[in-house]
Formats: sequence, C-alpha cells, structure tokens
Amino acid sequence: QVQLVQSGPDVKTPGSSVKVSCRASGGTFRTYTISWVRQAPGQGLEWMGGVDSVSGSKTYAEAFQGRVIISADDSFTTVYMQLSGLRSDDSAMYYCVLIAADSWGQGTLVSVSS
Amino acid sequence: VVLTQSPLFLPVTLGQPASITCRSSQSLAHNDVNNYFNWFQQRPGHSPRRLIYQVSTRDYGVPDRFSGSGSGTDFTLTISRVEAEDVGLYYCMQGTHWPLFHTFGQGTKLEIK
Repeated sequence: QVQLVQSGPDVKTPGSSVKVSCRASGGTFRTYTISWVRQAPGQGLEWMGGVDSVSGSKTYAEAFQGRVIISADDSFTTVYMQLSGLRSDDSAMYYCVLIAADSWGQGTLVSVSS
Repeated sequence: VVLTQSPLFLPVTLGQPASITCRSSQSLAHNDVNNYFNWFQQRPGHSPRRLIYQVSTRDYGVPDRFSGSGSGTDFTLTISRVEAEDVGLYYCMQGTHWPLFHTFGQGTKLEIK
C-alpha cells in the first residue's frame, strides 16, 4: 500500500502563501484520487479539494475556491497543495489522503502568525 | 451537502453501547456507485482512520463491535460495547467520485464516564 509522506511544519505570516507536499513512498499516486483535508486546533475535519490522477481533474471545496491550488509532478509521485492569502484561522494540520484506500499522511502543521 | 451529527458529545460507561447518528442533506441512493458514505475514527494525537465504508462494511482490522447502518439521509454508527481504546472523535463523511467531492460531519467526541 502506498504510504504518504508530507513536508515538515511551516510558519507563515498573514497574507503569504504556503505550499505543502505529499510524496508517495513505495509507489505512485497513479489510479488514485488524492484529497487534502485540514483540521484546525480543536476543530473538525474539512475537505479542501482533490485531484484525480487518472484524468488530472482537480476539484476544490467552495470554501477554498480562489485560494487553493492542488498540483502534481508529471509522474504523480508528489502532490502539492498551495494555499494563498493566509489568515490566522488557516493555522491547522493539513493532511493528504487517499480516501478510497484510507491512507493518510502524517499531517503538516501550518501556523500563521504575525 | 451538509452532514449533521448527533450527539456532538457522547459520555459512555465502559461496556455499554453507544450510537452516533448522521443526517445528510442529500439522499444516498441504494447501489449508487458514484456516492459513498464512510465513518472515521480519530484517536487523540493520531490521524483519522476509516472504520466503515459504503455505509456498513467494516474496514480490515476494525473490531466487530463497530457497525454501520442506514439509508437515504439517515445513518448510524453503533459500538456494541465501548472499550477504553474507543475514546476519540468520530466523523461521518459523504462523497462522490464524479465530480470529486467530500464533506464531513462536525464530529462526535466520545469519552468514558
């Protein structure tokens, strides 16, 4: 089963952007749909969007439209999530997930503070 | 699609049953291969893990005290006898393959009385 390895924690200032990576260890993401889910401190899970590795089609949750970009390298070994216009309430743990396979990355903590 | 879980806080005595309900604003048709409904557990300090997929199928390794049921807009996760390791957050999730979409319920916090 493909393991998901995410980039390390990051600290950003308000208004800046963050790019989190998710690498497939032991394979590629080919045939999978990769989603990004975030969880703010003490809050629930929030789906941000995802990419279908077969079609390349990307879909974003309405709450993040215009602020999030999900991309992948040509081999679909690494997937990226870039969130712009950061605010303090974007401070959260960000997970990449293969929901169909129930495979979760370890999470990337993004802190937004001036 | 909006998923509404209840209760949001669930104190349970060890060995007693527990149930969490999830109501969807969009009906899930029987044998609809494009839509699916799952339950997730998140233990303190851990990433979530799926317990139930396609409404009622337990994931590999999930104890048989966990069961999922429901249809249409109303779904239930039942734990027949709560154990200490069941403490954590539980989320329902509904999604579609095409177009890609997922949404989670608000989460239910289960704790031991």
